[in-house]
Amino acid sequence: QSALTQPRSVSGSPGQSVTMSCTGTSSDVGGYNYVSWYQQHPGKAPKLMIYDVSNRPSGVPDRFSGSKSGNTASLTISGLQAEDEADYYCCSYAGSLYVFGGGTKVTVL
Amino acid sequence: EVQLVESGGGLVKPGGSLTLSCAASGFTFNSAWMIWVRQAPGKGLECVGRIKPKTDGGTADYVAPVIGRFTISRDDSKNTLYLQMNSLKIEDTAVYYCATVISGRLDAWGQGTLVTVSS
Repeated sequence: QSALTQPRSVSGSPGQSVTMSCTGTSSDVGGYNYVSWYQQHPGKAPKLMIYDVSNRPSGVPDRFSGSKSGNTASLTISGLQAEDEADYYCCSYAGSLYVFGGGTKVTVL
Repeated sequence: EVQLVESGGGLVKPGGSLTLSCAASGFTFNSAWMIWVRQAPGKGLECVGRIKPKTDGGTADYVAPVIGRFTISRDDSKNTLYLQMNSLKIEDTAVYYCATVISGRLDAWGQGTLVTVSS
């Protein structure tokens, strides 16, 4: 299993929108609707932000949204806020295990 | 409230062994799919392995780099998940997290425990 491909970094000003991609294969992202996204602040455990491609757990602001097309999933943060500055990891079910992306660092300018 | 607390991390020499524990509470552990994820210093997340509940066979699957060296087990009477790590390598140095798996997502995470493999 190879890691999913994410951009190393994205940035935006407060109030702007940023979108990050997560590219896999037909054996993971493209083969299942089990794509999830995790936010991780420095020194903290990851936190589930999006599951099943586009669903938000309770408590996650609706500024966070997810989508998928073919072998590529995307996470969009609308109305960027200072507290959104963190690392974001995509994850996909891959048949028996889970494969993660390398992570995208979101910087709020 | 779901709570997962990892323990057992520490410093170990290459070739050594270590067993991590993950104490679970706040949910029905014996029916839960559980997973171990690790994060090397300054690096991304990597799934180590996943174990099914006994009602689904209780078997575990592992990522290729740890096959034959790591073993995931569970003690449902103690609500505890384990990760036994043998023949440790320097590249196994990481923070190890346990998490619950619900329908394709890693729902709740512990705070992690650091394993350092160094001579």
